[in-house]
Amino acid sequence: DVKVTQSSRYLVKRTGEKVFLECVQDMDHENMFWYRQDPGLGLRLIYFSYDVKMKEKGDIPEGYSVSREKKERFSLILESASTNQTSMYLCASSLRGRSYEQYFGPGTRLTVT
Amino acid sequence: SQQGEEDPQALSIQEGENATMNCSYKTSINNLQWYRQNSGRGLVHLILIRSNEREKHSGRLRVTLDTSKKSSSLLITASRAADTASYFCATGAPGNTGKLIFGQGTTLQVKP
Repeated sequence: DVKVTQSSRYLVKRTGEKVFLECVQDMDHENMFWYRQDPGLGLRLIYFSYDVKMKEKGDIPEGYSVSREKKERFSLILESASTNQTSMYLCASSLRGRSYEQYFGPGTRLTVT
Repeated sequence: SQQGEEDPQALSIQEGENATMNCSYKTSINNLQWYRQNSGRGLVHLILIRSNEREKHSGRLRVTLDTSKKSSSLLITASRAADTASYFCATGAPGNTGKLIFGQGTTLQVKP
């Protein structure tokens, strides 16, 4: 079974802190994704990576950066956390190519105070 | 960018009843997928239907696809309390990127 893990289930950070969210998958998937999910707004893609060191902006990249140094690991970085980044963050992975199913991690509930 | 839109937004039924959720999309697709999300958890892939298929079954799930109407439906038969969750449809974003566009979801409550 595909397993996607995220470094924390719950995280509380202060405004201005640098925050790292890590995601690891064990199925040798080329694609990895970071989404945030907010009530009434659904899932919104923050960043996408289709290979090591490759990244592509999603719909809402502002305030975020990503790193993919190894195929299995995709990190989301909040350079300077703000209260409007309080959200559920979901990582997913899939095979490269057109519209394969995505496998999701359990999510990280981030609260910025 | 919104591709899939689900209807209804919320659905409440009794255990044993059937639940039907609908999804509409805007552009041509390669396939359409349905996912389930239990409260506070990640999404779980349920079923994928290709653009050249009209109907697909998986256990108590039945998915139909009408490409002429750009719509899909998910039917859960003989629902159980454990089916309580949010259900999302997803379609491929334009291009060959592997990105998916998710709908807003239908929240299903199954009362015991």
